[in-house]
Parts: sequence; structure tokens; C-alpha cells
Amino acid sequence: QVHLEQSGADVTTPGSSIRVSCKASGYTFPDYYIHWVRQAPGQGLEWLGVINPGGDATSTSYAQKFQGRITVTRDTSTTTVHMDLRSLRSEDTALYYCARPGARGAGGRSAPLEVWGQGTLVTVSS
Amino acid sequence: SYVLTQPPSVSVAPGETARITCGGDYIGHKSVHWYQEKPGQAPAVVMSYENVRPSGIPERFSGSSSVNTATLTISRVEAGDEAIYYCQVWDEGSEAGVFGGGTSLTVL
Repeated sequence: QVHLEQSGADVTTPGSSIRVSCKASGYTFPDYYIHWVRQAPGQGLEWLGVINPGGDATSTSYAQKFQGRITVTRDTSTTTVHMDLRSLRSEDTALYYCARPGARGAGGRSAPLEVWGQGTLVTVSS
Repeated sequence: SYVLTQPPSVSVAPGETARITCGGDYIGHKSVHWYQEKPGQAPAVVMSYENVRPSGIPERFSGSSSVNTATLTISRVEAGDEAIYYCQVWDEGSEAGVFGGGTSLTVL
């Protein structure tokens, strides 16, 4: 069945970078967008960015708040999407999710996020 | 950037009707999705495209929209409906997804 498996928890220091990975299985990888969403402790959901795994290297969109700090890439050979976040600060401490919409293709940008990874806890602390 | 505004909390007695609102400029022209989040679980879709219920979601859940407000209505509220509910849209102008701040539903 459709499954998104995320990389394990990470603890890092302010100013550093992290990579969170999301391995997709159970469906045709290029057909569905992958979104990234985070949730800081006790806070709401925050959309970070999206990639079209079937597109070229620039088939991404990011929340304005993270422009310049975030990069989402895909590796079609391993059906994995990576989310890199740089210049980390304590406010970036959060549970990071990858999520897949139910609709294929371009409709996946605006479709509901039906399949979620298990979440990756990133802790930024000195 | 596009902003979605939700009330922080809504409280209802069992059996009553809960209405959770989500305000945004011309939200009625966008596809609105609603998620339910329970402790320790990833969010789950309870309503999509304003008023489409995914399989497994009870008929007690319904959705609607006016020009600037989307509403998730839960009829005959049960204790198991207690959760945080988020609205979400895709904003074409900024090419970005947007979540509302979330509404905590308490069943008294």
C-alpha cells in the first residue's frame, strides 16, 4: 500500500543545516507531488514547500517565509524526497512531515494531503 | 501572503452541533480542505474540496463556503470528535499551501 517512511529524529545546533528524507513506496513515484509540513511544539500546522517528483529539478514551490533557507529535491532512483533547511534557529524545532495528495499530476498542488509520513522530530538547541 | 483565520477553540455538549469557521479573502473561490488532528497522530482529512467527505468519515461531518468564510459542521457531536481541526487551501497567487491556525474542539 501507499507508504511514506521518513528519516529518524535529529538534534542539531543553531546555524547548522538538516536534511529530512521521505521514502515513498506503493505507488508510481513521479505521478504525485510531495508536500512538507511542520508542527512546532504546541503549535499549529505550517506548510513549508512542495515538489513535483515527475518534473525537472526546479519543480518546487516554497512558503515565502522559508525562501532562501529551504530546498526540496527528489531522487527518482530511490523514490525519495529530501528537504534541506539551513541556518537553523531554535524556532525551527518541530515535527516535520512529508505528505502526499490524493490527486495525480498538477492537481496535487491543491488537493488534500491524504497520506502522511510518520513525522521526523528535529530539535535545534545549543 | 494569504492568511486563514480560525477561532482557537469551540466547545459543545455531546449531541449538539459544532461549527468551525475558517476565514480568508475570497476563500469561497478556493478548494478548502479540513483536517482532524488527534494527539500523537498525523492529521487526517475529514473534508475535501469544501464538501466532499472521504470514505470512512461519518455523514455527521459536512462542509460549506461563502465568499470569505468556510465552515466545517459536525452534527450530533460525540466525545470521539474531540480534536484540533485545521482548514487548508492552495493559494495560486503565491503558489503556496496555507493552513489555518487550528481550532480545538472540546466536547463538554
